[in-house]
Amino acid sequence: RKEVEQDPGPFNVPEGATVAFNCTYSNSASQSFFWYRQDCRKEPKLLMSVYSSGNEDGRFTAQLNRASQYISLLIRDSKLSDSATYLCVVGWGTGRRALTFGSGTRLQVQP
Amino acid sequence: GAVVSQHPSWVICKSGTSVKIECRSLDFQATTMFWYRQFPKQSLMLMATSNEGSKATYEQGVEKDKFLINHASLTLSTLTVTSAHPEDSSFYICSARESTPEAFFGQGTRLTVV
Repeated sequence: RKEVEQDPGPFNVPEGATVAFNCTYSNSASQSFFWYRQDCRKEPKLLMSVYSSGNEDGRFTAQLNRASQYISLLIRDSKLSDSATYLCVVGWGTGRRALTFGSGTRLQVQP
Repeated sequence: GAVVSQHPSWVICKSGTSVKIECRSLDFQATTMFWYRQFPKQSLMLMATSNEGSKATYEQGVEKDKFLINHASLTLSTLTVTSAHPEDSSFYICSARESTPEAFFGQGTRLTVV
């Protein structure tokens, strides 16, 4: 079983749509959770951290369910510029430990 | 956020030659840096953890004699792909974590071996 699992997609949605991505992780000792965004042939960039209480940043909302080991990302009012691959990322321990990446979910927002 | 700079951004080399990739933390000290490899349409795969002043820790299946890592200072780690072959062609990315939990990435190096 992969440590971090995501639906690879692609998700093809029209502009203005709301889209949700899900992710599960296997290590119950995981302590930090993130969504990264990766554009084609570019490095991943941090989109947002994910907290148990849930957090929102503009059109983006992230949720964490520790009991189910499940993370979600909701994007409202999709823009063309949201087209990218969204990576679910999990970490534990100190900065000496690498983060673990899901394989990513591809989103294509269409006009 | 913290800035990590990687150089070169792309390189084309002949089979059998070696290529060095540099990763620098510009505004913080990184005692640990991480090297990833990403093949097209696949996820980032951790290759090794680079520790300042000590040997790197390699993931299973990654040849330490082929992928030489040197972390000689708190702001610089290098990855050298030795005797490169076409199957080594990939996107190589470094990252570092400051005191915060999230990691920051270099711009990546696209290596093409011909």
